[in-house]
Parts: sequence; structure tokens; C-alpha cells
Amino acid sequence: GEDVEQSLFLSVREGDSSVINCTYTDSSSTYLYWYKQEPGAGLQLLTYIFSNMDMKQDQRLTVLLNKKDKHLSLRIADTQTGDSAIYFCAETHSGGYNKLIFGAGTRLAVHP
Amino acid sequence: GAGVSQTPSNKVTEKGKYVELRCDPISGHTALYWYRQSLGQGPEFLIYFQGTGAADDSGLPNDRFFAVRPEGSVSTLKIQRTERGDSAVYLCASSLGTSQNEQFFGPGTRLTVL
Repeated sequence: GEDVEQSLFLSVREGDSSVINCTYTDSSSTYLYWYKQEPGAGLQLLTYIFSNMDMKQDQRLTVLLNKKDKHLSLRIADTQTGDSAIYFCAETHSGGYNKLIFGAGTRLAVHP
Repeated sequence: GAGVSQTPSNKVTEKGKYVELRCDPISGHTALYWYRQSLGQGPEFLIYFQGTGAADDSGLPNDRFFAVRPEGSVSTLKIQRTERGDSAVYLCASSLGTSQNEQFFGPGTRLTVL
């Protein structure tokens, strides 16, 4: 079956790097996504990676994909208090359209 | 331009009542998705529309849940005989098509069943 797992909580100091990890089960997923959810706000797409890529960098965000181990990570450089939020990893359903399977989310707390 | 909107933002109802939740997708988006997010969990897929038709309703938990999109734009999620376990945030998302286009999420409707 399809399953996405994430650690539930991460605490980092402002200015440090944050690394949020995710494992997934559907080897036929073509895209993997990272979404951010802040209190009272909708889900915001941060970045995504195509399954034939190993890495994608977008400003302070770096996504690493290990397809063999079905492991995805999101690194946030120079973490700021504004990065405090819940981060969701999601994979696409293998049915040819963009049904998303989400993990339970990692709550990132940034402290001074 | 306007994003995905959902109404109401909050709905409190009593067990056994009927509720309707509305989603207005981004204009021109043919694909529309409903998800449900329970407290402390990630969103779970409910149903996907391509145009007017429900292409995949495999995520609907039981036959108390039904959704329509009669004109291929606005969608309504309908829940009959609500139960306390239906309490959650119901999220709607839309995208341009069925390929790997970005899904734009609405702010959600928080449903509380007393």
C-alpha cells in the first residue's frame, strides 16, 4: 500500500540548518513534494522533485532523493523564526493523476 | 488573481445533521480534489474530479459522503448523518489538469460535530 512517514517534531536554533526526513513506499511515484502549513493558513507548495533527480536546490531549500531507499529530505539553510511551521512530505499516486499521499507532518520549531 | 476559496470557514453542527461544504476553484482549473485533515495528521485524499465527473472517489470513507461538481467549476462536499468522527478540516485543491501540475489549496473548512 501507499504510505509516507515522517518524524513528528524538530527543534533548531535560528541560523542553523534544518533537515526534515521522509520515507515513502510507492516506488512508481513520479513526483515528490514538500508542503508547508502555517497556523490559520492553507497548504503552500514549497518545492518538488522529479523521481529521476537526486537533488534539487531552490534558494535556501535543498531536496535530496534516494530512490533506492525511498528516502526524501528537505534541508532549510539559515533557518529563521518565520520557518516555524508544519512540513508535509507527499508522494503522487501511481494512477496517472496528481492524487497526493501525505505524511503526518513534521513540526519545525525555531528558537533563538 | 483569486485563489481557491472555501465556505464556510467554520461549521459547527450536531450529530446526525446534514452539512454541505463548498469549494470555488481557481478559474480555468479542470482538476479538483477534496482532502480531509484530522488533528495531528496529514491531509487524506477523498475524491478527485476531472471536469464534472468524479474520476476517483476511492477516498470517501462511506456512503454518507458524496460530492458533486455539476458545471465543472464549483464543487460541494455533502455529508449526511454526521458523526463526531467526521470532525476535521476539509481541504479543497485545484490544478490546471491531470498531469503533475501544482495543486493550489484553499484555506479549508473546519467542521466540528458535537
